Amino acid sequence: GAGVSQTPSNKVTEKGKYVELRCDPISGHTALYWYRQSLGQGPEFLIYFQGTGAADDSGLPNDRFFAVRPEGSVSTLKIQRTERGDSAVYLCASSYQGGETQYFGPGTRLLVL
Amino acid sequence: GESVGLHLPTLSVQEGDNSIINCAYSNSASDYFIWYKQESGKGPQFIIDIRSNMDKRQGQRVTVLLNKTVKHLSLQIAATQPGDSAVYFCAENAGGTSYGKLTFGQGTILTVHP
Repeated sequence: GAGVSQTPSNKVTEKGKYVELRCDPISGHTALYWYRQSLGQGPEFLIYFQGTGAADDSGLPNDRFFAVRPEGSVSTLKIQRTERGDSAVYLCASSYQGGETQYFGPGTRLLVL
Repeated sequence: GESVGLHLPTLSVQEGDNSIINCAYSNSASDYFIWYKQESGKGPQFIIDIRSNMDKRQGQRVTVLLNKTVKHLSLQIAATQPGDSAVYFCAENAGGTSYGKLTFGQGTILTVHP
């Protein structure tokens, strides 16, 4: 079946702009996760959804970052007033239930100029 | 060895050799461990996992060993192939209030020479 998909695959924006990154999880997966990966580093946890609710948002770096999952399927990660330090690969993963194996999408490469 | 920032540990092997990639984890409360493979420009790909009530688990050409006493995890790849070349990450799940959160290690670059 189809894996996790993310759009766009690449996003270039200017400092101060607003961006939205989309994630489509594997069908039937109730848990969805966002991670951020900087060059040469492992992914860093941002937020975890169980269904429609954010079960753990402890990894969001500040209030410029926000994520939603209104219908318990697709999720959108929103970044306001982007900064150059936000440049990274944003990865989405899903699992059948929370705590089970997480399957990752290809990521969105964000570049803030 | 220890590495910081962009200088990931590297392992270079010949095709057909067995590879062993090591990982030290820090949280003694972690109860679930996963190995991921990441190729350039792609997301992490699940390889194998192990729960804390086990010390060994085998998959196709891969074996994961868990030593909770010294908080060490290893991935063994048998008969390594050029297609195994990638960055390998271990990840841990601490459970409890961190139930959905994976904490990743820094990664090891595996290069397989034909």
